[in-house]
Amino acid sequence: AQSVSQHNHHVILSEAASLELGCNYSYGGTVNLFWYVQYPGQHLQLLLKYFSGDPLVKGIKGFEAEFIKSKFSFNLRKPSVQWSDTAEYFCAVKGTALIFGKGTTLSVSS
Amino acid sequence: KAGVTQTPRYLIKTRGQQVTLSCSPISGHRSVSWYQQTPGQGLQFLFEYFSETQRNKGNFPGRFSGRQFSNSRSEMNVSTLELGDSALYLCASSLAGGLLDTEAFFGQGTRLTVV
Repeated sequence: AQSVSQHNHHVILSEAASLELGCNYSYGGTVNLFWYVQYPGQHLQLLLKYFSGDPLVKGIKGFEAEFIKSKFSFNLRKPSVQWSDTAEYFCAVKGTALIFGKGTTLSVSS
Repeated sequence: KAGVTQTPRYLIKTRGQQVTLSCSPISGHRSVSWYQQTPGQGLQFLFEYFSETQRNKGNFPGRFSGRQFSNSRSEMNVSTLELGDSALYLCASSLAGGLLDTEAFFGQGTRLTVV
């Protein structure tokens, strides 16, 4: 069965700080990996995705993620966060179905 | 193009009642998935429909059911509502739902409150 684990439940940062959100998954077959973001009052939207090829993928708004196959990890990073990055972030894995982690709430103070 | 539309946006029901939620996917999308979102639990997968057939199912009791119509619109039904069913129910649509899909698009959700 597929499962996704996000390491941090709530992260609090000041503007310009660097961000790294951990994500590990469990699945025996080929997977596609995603990070979705949910801004307050808005619907879920795709931040970035990995299907194959270069394990370092870049998404919107300066976010990037690295797929490390040996560690079953797909961590999200951003060098310098902004107040507008305050949101909930979800890691997701697609094997037989698109399964999400429990999410990480990011609060950025200005 | 129009996004994923979920109706109604808000719903208040009493314990023991049943409820039906509706989802209209993006035109051309044939796969519809349903999720339950609650604080601390994230998005829990309910089921996925493709071409009117349930293709995958999550670990929810049989009170939760769904269906998909020939125009790809989908409904989910919850019978004998419990207080713990209070949640945001999200629908996601994608082209085919398999590994070739590049992205799932989400609706705004239906906020169900059970009292």
